[in-house]
Amino acid sequence: DIQMTQSPSSLSASVGDRVTITCRASQSITNYLNWYQQKPGRAPKLLIYATSSLQSGVPSRFSGSGSGTDFTLTISSLQLEDFATYYCQQSYSSPLTFGGGTKVEIK
Amino acid sequence: EVQLVESGGDLVQPGASLRLSCVASGFTFSTYAMDWVRQAPGKGLEWVSAISNTGESRFYANSVKGRFTISRDNSKNTLFLQMDSLRAEDTAVYYCAKDGSTVIPRWVDPWGQGTLVTVSS
Repeated sequence: DIQMTQSPSSLSASVGDRVTITCRASQSITNYLNWYQQKPGRAPKLLIYATSSLQSGVPSRFSGSGSGTDFTLTISSLQLEDFATYYCQQSYSSPLTFGGGTKVEIK
Repeated sequence: EVQLVESGGDLVQPGASLRLSCVASGFTFSTYAMDWVRQAPGKGLEWVSAISNTGESRFYANSVKGRFTISRDNSKNTLFLQMDSLRAEDTAVYYCAKDGSTVIPRWVDPWGQGTLVTVSS
């Protein structure tokens, strides 16, 4: 199975901050990397698919980049509604696997 | 609007069986692959299984292979997950989700509200 490692596991930030979350795959997954956001008690929501494609309705302050084994989710200017847990997921090969999550908290 | 409504979650003993259902609406169900993803209490997300749009191709996590069976009824817009030989570690909220692909699972959105499966004696 392909292992997905996210860092950091948690971070504290303020509204307006630029936030970067990284995800590393145990082998090359080309661009088959997705990002999800989950708020407490809610189902996850897709933010970005195929490394950098923004899902419909997702604010443009979210962006993704990377290729091969190293990927990044960036929030250009953190908003109150962005405090949540973020997960990366590889879909290069089955079984699909998620990273352990990054909890973004208010500083 | 796409809607996915799961049902079938329950409290069962280890070794028991359970079948989850997910009724879909708001899109052409037979066009898309479908997935199950679970989340143990206080833990992260774990992909469980996916099925192609026709049902011909099925994909499983190693942790459930041989115990869980995914299926679908395109005439009823319904996805199923048959879970046998349940273990305590299968305790989780199970989410049904629409895949962005037709055959090979790629990304999932949206997700249902989830149904809780608890395996305990």
